[in-house]
Amino acid sequence: KQEVTQIPAALSVPEGENLVLNCSFTDSAIYNLQWFRQDPGKGLTSLLLIQSSQREQTSGRLNASLDKSSGRSTLYIAASQPGDSATYLCAVTNQAGTALIFGKGTTLSVSS
Amino acid sequence: GAGVSQSPRYKVAKRGQDVALRCDPISGHVSLFWYQQALGQGPEFLTYFQNEAQLDKSGLPSDRFFAERPEGSVSTLKIQRTQQEDSAVYLCASSLAGTGLSYGYTFGSGTRLTVV
Repeated sequence: KQEVTQIPAALSVPEGENLVLNCSFTDSAIYNLQWFRQDPGKGLTSLLLIQSSQREQTSGRLNASLDKSSGRSTLYIAASQPGDSATYLCAVTNQAGTALIFGKGTTLSVSS
Repeated sequence: GAGVSQSPRYKVAKRGQDVALRCDPISGHVSLFWYQQALGQGPEFLTYFQNEAQLDKSGLPSDRFFAERPEGSVSTLKIQRTQQEDSAVYLCASSLAGTGLSYGYTFGSGTRLTVV
């Protein structure tokens, strides 16, 4: 059974720091991996989608990498801002390709 | 519409009451998914539709949970005889493709259900 783990569970940093969020999954037979952002009381906003054949994706200050063989992904946030404060969720597709399996998330707080 | 719309945003139900949660996916999106998110947890898969066909309902926690998408667009998640452990945020997502493999998923803002 696929399990997704995110470390750390919570992270507090001062504005301007570069930071890395980690995601690991137990079954490397995934179709893709997606990083989401969730603000309190809100739904999920897709940040980056990495297909299984890709190794990384970039969008602005965000860079996500995927190492399928080791079952790991990282989300790198450059020059963090208070507006980046949110919960970041990592998810992989199930083997049927019909559903996402989520980690519990990393709650990020960026102070000004 | 521009995004996935869910209603109501908040629902308080007395234990034993039936509830119905609505999801309007993005127009033209083939796939529709329901997830349940308990406080402090990641979302957990409930069920998946491709057009009007419910192809996977393996995540529904009990036979009190029922979902439908009769015309392949709007979907309703119904919970019968609600119990306190049903309290959670129910998220709906849609995807352009037959699965979310190539295009990813767009989530709605969710319905927060509180059973008292």
